[in-house]
Amino acid sequence: GDSVTQMEGPVTLSEEAFLTINCTYTATGYPSLFWYVQYPGEGLQLLLKATKADDKGSNKGFEATYRKETTSFHLEKGSVQVSDSAVYFCALSDPTNSGNTPLVFGKGTRLSVIA
Amino acid sequence: NAGVTQTPKFQVLKTGQSMTLQCAQDMNHNSMYWYRQDPGMGLRLIYYSASEGTTDKGEVPNGYNVSRLNKREFSLRLESAAPSQTSVYFCASRVGQYYGYTFGSGTRLTVV
Repeated sequence: GDSVTQMEGPVTLSEEAFLTINCTYTATGYPSLFWYVQYPGEGLQLLLKATKADDKGSNKGFEATYRKETTSFHLEKGSVQVSDSAVYFCALSDPTNSGNTPLVFGKGTRLSVIA
Repeated sequence: NAGVTQTPKFQVLKTGQSMTLQCAQDMNHNSMYWYRQDPGMGLRLIYYSASEGTTDKGEVPNGYNVSRLNKREFSLRLESAAPSQTSVYFCASRVGQYYGYTFGSGTRLTVV
């Protein structure tokens, strides 16, 4: 079945450091890929998405490129801020599955940014 | 504001009590989902409704029931609450298979 694997956390960075959170996937078809962010005490929010190979999703300084050849969708940010401290989830939606099946989520990666 | 609305936001139950968590969306989405998130854990799917009139079990359905009341509303019922059901419950919806979810802000449930 489909699956998403994220790097284990927690990740602790100093402010202005470069961030990479790795995400790889397994899918039978050509999935859409998503990154969600969950700030402390809140629900999940869509951060960015990509729907086909080589698409780059971007939002709030975060970027991720859909790499079909490596089945990856790594999240990057050039300079993190304390306000980026949150849990980040990678997810996929495989349209080859019938019946509008649920998103497949990774386990989440906790990021802490220190001033 | 458009989105997914969950009620209540907080609830404390005694073991054996029942309650219904409400979820409503005003985006005309076809599919709706219920997840639970335990401290320090990821999301686990309880039940989902791919379209109005259908419901399916997810990863952890035991102890729960659901009702897709209409296209807007999808409720989750705990018939006899247990301490193991202490968690944060999230409802989500989406318009179709190519799209991501919109999440509600969650219900924080404690069973004592």
